[in-house]
Amino acid sequence: QSVLTQPPSASGSLGHSVTISCTGTRRDVGGYEYVSWYQQHPGQVPRLLIYEVTKRPSGVPDRFSASKSGNTASLTVSGLQAEDEADYYCSSYAGDNNLVFGGGTKLTVL
Amino acid sequence: QVQLVESGGGVVQPGGSLRLSCEVSRFMITDYVMHWVRQAPGKGLEWVALISNEGDFENYAVSVKGRFAISRDNTENTLFLDMHSLRLEDTAVYYCAREVWSGWSVNGADVWGHGTVVTVSS
Repeated sequence: QSVLTQPPSASGSLGHSVTISCTGTRRDVGGYEYVSWYQQHPGQVPRLLIYEVTKRPSGVPDRFSASKSGNTASLTVSGLQAEDEADYYCSSYAGDNNLVFGGGTKLTVL
Repeated sequence: QVQLVESGGGVVQPGGSLRLSCEVSRFMITDYVMHWVRQAPGKGLEWVALISNEGDFENYAVSVKGRFAISRDNTENTLFLDMHSLRLEDTAVYYCAREVWSGWSVNGADVWGHGTVVTVSS
């Protein structure tokens, strides 16, 4: 299966916004509306932030938003807070009942 | 409160076998697709396997196909992962996770266990 491509790192200043990309192919990100995003703090369990490209589970702040264009999905974190410093992963349905993840992006809040 | 609790991890030699369990509380595994996802030390998340809500279909990542088997006990509301012919590269934290939607859906996982550590070492 393919691995979705994410930048290894990203950074943004407190109160500002940052966008993390997730690039796949037409066989995964581009082919389905089933992209999810997860946040993982060191030593903790992944937390679902976004599912079905743009939807937020209850309890996720609206500072987290997402979109997709073609084979690339994006997660935007607005109004950056110190606690947003974490690893972020995208995932996508990849057809044939497979799920694939991105390699992860380490977000640093300056 | 919805809860997933994994167990069964440990240290095993290359070529060995291990069975992981995931006890589920406050929902029925017969209602959801369930996943196993792993994370090697210092690495990202890797999807391993899923079992359908009706229990009649499984699928596996290429890296584990033919060596791992996902199953469940509906009476005990428990998910399993049988791992055979273990390799050094199977060393990871193994998480069980619940699909976002009930019924048949391969979308993402909204509930995760805390994971169990598998170390393959000689």
